[in-house]
Amino acid sequence: AQSVTQLGSHVSVSEGALVLLRCNYSSSVPPYLFWYVQYPNQGLQLLLKYTSAATLVKGINGFEAEFKKSETSFHLTKPSAHMSDAAEYFCAVSAGTSYDKVIFGPGTSLSVIP
Amino acid sequence: DAMVIQNPRYQVTQFGKPVTLSCSQTLNHNVMYWYQQKSSQAPKLLFHYYDKDFNNEADTPDNFQSRRPNTSFCFLDIRSPGLGDAAMYLCATSRDLVNTEAFFGQGTRLTVV
Repeated sequence: AQSVTQLGSHVSVSEGALVLLRCNYSSSVPPYLFWYVQYPNQGLQLLLKYTSAATLVKGINGFEAEFKKSETSFHLTKPSAHMSDAAEYFCAVSAGTSYDKVIFGPGTSLSVIP
Repeated sequence: DAMVIQNPRYQVTQFGKPVTLSCSQTLNHNVMYWYQQKSSQAPKLLFHYYDKDFNNEADTPDNFQSRRPNTSFCFLDIRSPGLGDAAMYLCATSRDLVNTEAFFGQGTRLTVV
């Protein structure tokens, strides 16, 4: 069975500072991993995904994530936070390739301080 | 251009009064999903259609039903909404179940009074 934990339900960073959102997963099979962003009263938008190719994955809006099997982690980073990055971020894991079994983490709310 | 469209964006319904939420897609994707997302929580999958095949999650209450009359449209029916059903309902589509990603609509926020 798969599971996802996200350390920190709320993260605050200053504008221009590094963004680091943590995600750890558990999966009995090689996982597919996703990061989604959700703005208030909006649906989810895919930031990036890991599908067993390169371990460093680059996504939209300057975000990237690194898959570390030894640490079962898939942390999301961005070198310099922008005010428009303030949103809810969800890490998700699926059992291999099957999307109907995607499990979402509890989410991390990112605030960006001017 | 919006690819997954949910109507309405906001819906208020009375306790116990049936309500239907709508989702349409222009992507011609095989799979359509319905998620329930309560405040400050992760989305929870209710069910999905692969083409015309309906797949219900084991813990989805019987109060929730779905219809997919054609490829483009999918409906979520709540037969007797309770106060606990107030949530954001998200529709998503994917081309297939494997080697794919999901595209989400903007959601419908349901309020039960």
